[in-house]
Amino acid sequence: GQQLNQSPQSMFIQEGEDVSMNCTSSSIFNTWLWYKQDPGEGPVLLIALYKAGELTSNGRLTAQFGITRKDSFLNISASIPSDVGIYFCAGQRGNDMRFGAGTRLTVKP
Amino acid sequence: EAGVTQSPTHLIKTRGQQATLRCSPISGHTSVYWYQQALGLGLQFLLWYDEGEERNRGNFPPRFSGRQFPNYSSELNVNALELEDSALYLCASSFRGGNQPQHFGDGTRLSIL
Repeated sequence: GQQLNQSPQSMFIQEGEDVSMNCTSSSIFNTWLWYKQDPGEGPVLLIALYKAGELTSNGRLTAQFGITRKDSFLNISASIPSDVGIYFCAGQRGNDMRFGAGTRLTVKP
Repeated sequence: EAGVTQSPTHLIKTRGQQATLRCSPISGHTSVYWYQQALGLGLQFLLWYDEGEERNRGNFPPRFSGRQFPNYSSELNVNALELEDSALYLCASSFRGGNQPQHFGDGTRLSIL
């Protein structure tokens, strides 16, 4: 099925830097989700957003549900080495869930 | 609370064989989803089960099938295995109803020789 447009595809940053990634779609979603996947493990839910315009934080992570309901972004502040992994966005409408291709984050100490 | 559990962790098969993968959802979750994640690629939706019924399937051939048991656990069966079936197969579960976030297991790594 149609996947979401997630960018950037990969990021190489220095420890302590802030990170921003986003996800866009041509379709409207009722829920936006952000997951993180470590090597050899399944994706872990980081943040769930349920309302257009909603801004939600989880520690150093902040995510927003776009006003148009067609996009979302995730920010990570003051990155640390354990932030390394692949971050996936997901848009959900009912039981239909679509995923972005992921942003691979590398953090250099 | 136990998360989604999948077994086996790894499975090695040869072309033409059949594979069975298992998933136990989080307690209280009635919906189970299966995804294929090929190396370096995103998640491709395979199947969704709820209350024992197949509710939706992705763009995969019929040799990918499954079922959900009365205790909400699920099996994914892949027949006539092909080399390109090598992937991480992820199971997720959620509460019933729309817009419930899915929680994932750690997957089964299926390798076809």
